[in-house]
This record gives sequence, C-alpha cells and structure tokens, in this order.
Amino acid sequence: ETGVTQSPTHLIKTRGQQVTLRCSSQSGHNTVSWYQQALGQGPQFIFQYYREEENGRGNFPPRFSGLQFPNYSSELNVNALELDDSALYLCASTDVGDEQFFGPGTRLTVL
Amino acid sequence: GESVGLHLPTLSVQEGDNSIINCAYSNSASDYFIWYKQESGKGPQFIIDIRSNMDKRQGQRVTVLLNKTVKHLSLQIAATQPGDSAVYFCAETFGSARQLTFGSGTQLTVLP
Repeated sequence: ETGVTQSPTHLIKTRGQQVTLRCSSQSGHNTVSWYQQALGQGPQFIFQYYREEENGRGNFPPRFSGLQFPNYSSELNVNALELDDSALYLCASTDVGDEQFFGPGTRLTVL
Repeated sequence: GESVGLHLPTLSVQEGDNSIINCAYSNSASDYFIWYKQESGKGPQFIIDIRSNMDKRQGQRVTVLLNKTVKHLSLQIAATQPGDSAVYFCAETFGSARQLTFGSGTQLTVLP
C-alpha cells in the first residue's frame, strides 16, 4: 500500500453531469498528479498541483479542473461529462523526489 | 506527439523462466524512467527506476536496462512467479512538472 487514498471507488454518472473525485496524498507529500486511464491503455497525465497551485497540465480540455488544499489533499472536477470520460482516474503523490505513489483509482462510468 | 510505446502487448512465460519486457521511448529529453506493475483493479505499483545517466539498475529479481542510443528500455524479471502476472508499463518523465508519459502496457501471464 502506498498511503494514497481515493474516493469514491466507483461512480456512475450520466452524460452532461458533473463529478468530483477526491485524493488524499501520502503523508508529507506536497505534490499531487492526476491521470486518466482508459480501458486497455496506459495512464495519461491530466494535471499536477504543487502547494495548491497548478504546476503542469496535459492535453485535457478546461472542463477538467482541480484543486489542492492546504493539507495537500486534492480534487479532480469534470464538468459536462462525455461518454469518453469513462475511465479509471488515478492520483499520485510525490515529495521532493521523482517517485510517484499511486492510489487505487476511481472507476468512473458515464452513461 | 512524443510517447512511450511497447513492442509486445502480451507475453506468456513458464513459471521459473526469466521474462523480458521491452519498451521504446521517443523523447530524448526524458531523464528518468520507471517500470510499473498494475494488477486488475489496482493502481500502478512502482517496480524499479533508472536515471538517464545509468545503463543498468538491479533490484530484487528485477533488472532495468537503458539504451539511450536506440531509446530502448527493458525490464527483466528473474524466475518469474505466478504473482508476477499483471500489466507492466514503462513510463518516462521530463520537465519541471515531472509528468509521467506511459506506454500502453504489456500483459504478462505466467503459466504453471
């Protein structure tokens, strides 16, 4: 176990709805990254937060947004859900090094 | 765009044999590479990493080889066990955000 937790485990939404996913990083880790993993694919980088500021973003539209809180936990928000947003959403935390510790993920299904 | 790719989508090996999983990367600016293991329903689990100033790194039963000339990465697993069955991803990172770029993965199946 990495100490990174995510909630909820599974989620079902309908197209057009909004969703919030949560991540609690490993103790002492001030950087959180979010990834989207479609079925049968490798994870794709969405964005990263460092000390409550966005610190890099992948090729995802603005309806994917995030927050990081003073305790370094984080949220991923997705507006106007589309069918293609169905995926496993992973968060990973890191401290000063490069190693990223992944949580178990949230499985989002959009109907 | 630049991405990390894998040569084989599936690999089956006999229990006790050695496994070799290959990966090609295209971003010459990448300076850190990682192999992850992902079991069904779980997040990626760190196996071993290597920096671009190294050619080889060994862990417990695993070895990573980096060939920067041909931009190739490999993971060797010695004496493969049933518990090694999983999807294996290579990933590279570069830049200030240290974002990971993953390949599509190789499904390793260990046969009894």
